[in-house]
Amino acid sequence: DQQVKQNSPSLSVQEGRISILNCDYTNSMFDYFLWYKKYPAEGPTFLISISSIKDKNEDGRFTVFLNKSAKHLSLHIVPSQPGDSAVYFCAASWGDQFYFGTGTSLTVIP
Amino acid sequence: SAVISQKPSRDICQRGTSLTIQCQVDSQVTMMFWYRQQPGQSLTLIATANQGSEATYESGFVIDKFPISRPNLTFSTLTVSNMSPEDSSIYLCSGRSGYTEAFFGQGTRLTVV
Repeated sequence: DQQVKQNSPSLSVQEGRISILNCDYTNSMFDYFLWYKKYPAEGPTFLISISSIKDKNEDGRFTVFLNKSAKHLSLHIVPSQPGDSAVYFCAASWGDQFYFGTGTSLTVIP
Repeated sequence: SAVISQKPSRDICQRGTSLTIQCQVDSQVTMMFWYRQQPGQSLTLIATANQGSEATYESGFVIDKFPISRPNLTFSTLTVSNMSPEDSSIYLCSGRSGYTEAFFGQGTRLTVV
């Protein structure tokens, strides 16, 4: 049973525009949410997180939004840059474990 | 955050053999985990590596197939035993201390032929 879902396997965006990556979850017990970026042949690297007590967290070009009532999480990247091209995983946590989505491959076109 | 060195980065193995993957963290971490990522799929947790005791396995994963060691707070190994082509995957170790993000090793790409 997939508790964290990323329904868009891929996304293409022009350089300078906004990239919006979406994630849905089913378990209302999740209290900590994260986004990871993964380049080929590398492990995932942490990007940004948000606690369930917040609905927005911003770090430079990256903003994560949390809508608990909809059980929905999104990552906004503004402006998008070619170096942002990677696979993005959302993750949710309750207790010690993380549950990951299947990833969205972002391509930023120069 | 801490840095995890994972090795080997890739390997091609014969079916029926075993491979041991090592992860070394540059600082002590409370928790270490092992994940598998099959093509096009999410990261699936294999087990939580417990320091000084038996690992805690997730449903579908057993100790005989994936023995794990964690002798101290900075080191862990995962062995993939009696391999078959279905074990071809990326294996990742991860560490976490407290209510923080988890960080990952660079992964081991395993191909079983």
